[in-house]
Amino acid sequence: QLQLQESGPGLVKPSETLSLTCTVSGGSISSSSYYWGWIRQPPGKGLEWIGSIYYSGSTYYNPSLKSRVTISVDTSKNQFSLKLSSVTAADTAVYYCARRHNYYDSSGYYYGCAFDIWGQGTMVTVSS
Amino acid sequence: QSVLTQPPSASGTPGQRVTISCSGSSSNIGSNTVNWYQQLPGTAPKLLIYSNNQRPSGVPDRFSGSKSGTSASLAISGLQSEDEADYYCAAWDDSLIWVFGGGTKLTVL
Repeated sequence: QLQLQESGPGLVKPSETLSLTCTVSGGSISSSSYYWGWIRQPPGKGLEWIGSIYYSGSTYYNPSLKSRVTISVDTSKNQFSLKLSSVTAADTAVYYCARRHNYYDSSGYYYGCAFDIWGQGTMVTVSS
Repeated sequence: QSVLTQPPSASGTPGQRVTISCSGSSSNIGSNTVNWYQQLPGTAPKLLIYSNNQRPSGVPDRFSGSKSGTSASLAISGLQSEDEADYYCAAWDDSLIWVFGGGTKLTVL
């Protein structure tokens, strides 16, 4: 049973860098079938995709956050990480890591993808 | 403001059928598949429907999804008290970004 677990500081000062790690257990992060992503949810608000990474290191980011975001992968530790720089109070949120699964039919035809397994989330507060 | 538009709230009585809509554009729902997530209070989102109308293993067949043009819908039949949760639609946008709806809070009366 694949599981994801976020870890990192729960409190970050304004203008500093938020750093979180997602540890994948029960399966390999190096599978060619999946991407891995970060999604956040401010208190009482909806979901916002931050970015995603492939085990090879290929990344793509939300343009609204791209200048401040770095996502990296460590296949030896079965982990991927998020760094968000120059944080403000607006970055206060629950941060989730998740697996993006590609779906194929029996003929190998691709018919979509989704974040199918999520970590429990970790609350990060930006405050001095 | 979310890229995908959902009603902020919905409600129904036990046993009823409820639908939640999700409206997008040609660059997201119009050209890519739609996923639905259920978020119970204090928990992480759970994948409920993927690729417009597919249920992951373990999701009851009371939940169904559909898509037409640039809109999608989630239907819940035989409403139960444990269905009370927030529901989010999501889709890939051709501008290379995952977009979500603002969420619909479902209340079981």
